[in-house]
Amino acid sequence: GAVVSQHPSRVICKSGTSVKIECRSLDFQATTMFWYRQFPKQSLMLMATSNEGSKATYEQGVEKDKFLINHASLTLSTLTVTSAHPEDSSFYICSATRFQSNTDTQYFGPGTRLTVL
Amino acid sequence: GENVEQHPSTLSVQEGDSAVIKCTYSDSASNYFPWYKQELGKGPQLIIDIRSNVGEKKDQRIAVTLNKTAKHFSLHITETQPEDSAVYFCAAKREAAGNKLTFGGGTRVLVKP
Repeated sequence: GAVVSQHPSRVICKSGTSVKIECRSLDFQATTMFWYRQFPKQSLMLMATSNEGSKATYEQGVEKDKFLINHASLTLSTLTVTSAHPEDSSFYICSATRFQSNTDTQYFGPGTRLTVL
Repeated sequence: GENVEQHPSTLSVQEGDSAVIKCTYSDSASNYFPWYKQELGKGPQLIIDIRSNVGEKKDQRIAVTLNKTAKHFSLHITETQPEDSAVYFCAAKREAAGNKLTFGGGTRVLVKP
């Protein structure tokens, strides 16, 4: 159990276009999902916390108008990179929190490699 | 806020030897400490976690120890195998719905056959 999927796994787009990344919890409901980006050989950088049915909470320095997050259901959150530029090229990873037996555990998706030309 | 330091940043071990990665945290209210393994080009995979009501937890070749007084926790991998080669991340948080993890900087482990 506790499987999180992401789609697409990799995407190449032209500068100025928008890209949507989906994150799904396949076998559990997740009231909270998180979006991270990761540069080569670095740790995970939290971008935002996404709660089902409410606005996402963005970390300091992350532009909410550029990285649009929607958490429409307990199993799906989407991240849209708007007007993408080459500096947005990165590895984007989502995670979903499963609440069970009075504890919550965070499971990660496989990541999406975004390349902006 | 929470701050997590992880050492070493790289670790090279001979197959069959043990590997130990250490993390320290700053927030004494943190009570949940997971470890993730990340292989190249993949998302992090939860390999073991520990909560502050216990001092040690073991799962086959991996174990985690926690010292709440000193605010540090460690990952131990015994009888290392080449497939253990990956980047390992420790993390910490106060366990409550919606709370975010604070990650260490990662340790790149190379197991040499």
